[in-house]
Amino acid sequence: GAVVSQHPSRVICKSGTSVKIECRSLDFQATTMFWYRQFPKQSLMLMATSNEGSKATYEQGVEKDKFLINHASLTLSTLTVTSAHPEDSSFYICSALPGQRYEQYFGPGTRLTVT
Amino acid sequence: AQSVTQLDSQVPVFEEAPVELRCNYSSSVSVYLFWYVQYPNQGLQLLLKYLSGSTLVESINGFEAEFNKSQTSFHLRKPSVHISDTAEYFCAVSRNSGGSNYKLTFGKGTLLTVNP
Repeated sequence: GAVVSQHPSRVICKSGTSVKIECRSLDFQATTMFWYRQFPKQSLMLMATSNEGSKATYEQGVEKDKFLINHASLTLSTLTVTSAHPEDSSFYICSALPGQRYEQYFGPGTRLTVT
Repeated sequence: AQSVTQLDSQVPVFEEAPVELRCNYSSSVSVYLFWYVQYPNQGLQLLLKYLSGSTLVESINGFEAEFNKSQTSFHLRKPSVHISDTAEYFCAVSRNSGGSNYKLTFGKGTLLTVNP
């Protein structure tokens, strides 16, 4: 149980285009989902916290107009990187927090490459 | 706010040797503590966690960690490592209260490399 999927696993896009990444909790409902970014050989940096049915809370320094987060249902959150640039290339990982639980379950990550 | 310090960025060891990966944290409130493992190009897998109760927690694959409140540490240990333990290990903390307060603060990670 407690499986989180991400789609796509890898994506290459051209500079200036937008990319959507999906995060799904497959066998539980997630009241809260988190989006992280990981640069090569570095730790995970929290980008934003999304709660179902409300606006996401962004961490300091994260551009909310560039990284659009939608938590449309209790099993799906999406991250859209708008007008992507090469510096947005990174490994994006989501996690989901079941209601009344304290332990986050992580997705397998999405490798974004912007050319 | 919380912070996590993993003192070693890389730890090379030989197979069947013991290993300790160090983690210290700082927080003004009570926390939950976690160790996650990440294999190349994959997401994170929970290795073990401390929530309350016994300060020594164990995983199913032989790792253990001990919560030391006075030293604000949560070091990870294994008495005998295998080649398959080669991975990046992250220590993390969260506040022990609800909802978005459960967001995790990660250390920078320790790359454990087990050599034959």
